[in-house]
Amino acid sequence: EVQLVESGGGLVKPGGSLRLSCAASGFAFSSFTFNWVRQAPGKGLEWVSSISGYSTFRYYADSVKGRFTVSRDNANNSLYLLMTSLGAEDTAIYYCAKEGSTDYFLDFWGQGTLVTVSS
Amino acid sequence: QSVLTQPPSVSGAPGQRVTISCTGSSSNIGAGYDVAWYQQVPGAAPRFLIYGNNNRPSGVPERLSGSKSGTSASLAITGLQAEDEADYYCQSFDSTLSGYVFGTGTKVTVL
Repeated sequence: EVQLVESGGGLVKPGGSLRLSCAASGFAFSSFTFNWVRQAPGKGLEWVSSISGYSTFRYYADSVKGRFTVSRDNANNSLYLLMTSLGAEDTAIYYCAKEGSTDYFLDFWGQGTLVTVSS
Repeated sequence: QSVLTQPPSVSGAPGQRVTISCTGSSSNIGAGYDVAWYQQVPGAAPRFLIYGNNNRPSGVPERLSGSKSGTSASLAITGLQAEDEADYYCQSFDSTLSGYVFGTGTKVTVL
């Protein structure tokens, strides 16, 4: 059974940093591209970042480029998102999502972890 | 910011058919990238419904179907049921942004 479990969310002050983690199980982790998607309170889904199976390719939304860094540890089946220079606009539930085996779709999602940026 | 446009809401009585449109542009849907659809009930993570424009993963009922034409796509729900009440999002890939793009989301209400 595929399982994705995010952790690391919490309350952080503006300008602060936070690292999110996503623990994966039930499939060949290194074979798949992973994504972070966020959802601000009461708002829609926003793609944040992608990382290919062996970290060769990493992409970011313009809204987080230069502030967020995505990484992964295939030996430990884990995905990470380091977030720096956080602002109120980064307040959201952050989901890790596994890309499907063909083309661009997200077939499994974690339950999400809430990040709140507030003084 | 959402790149794909959806109607804010659609509604229908039980048993009826509703459709949700998803309008993109020449850099995403119109460029040939496939469309996926997700369902999200309040307080839960999105659930994967449709991939490759019109393919259902196992466990998704045949009442749900997708289509794509030009720069737009749509999701149809036939035989509407109370359990279909949720938010629905379309998603594609954008070559200009080099990343995923989501629709603005549509709330489906079962009357």
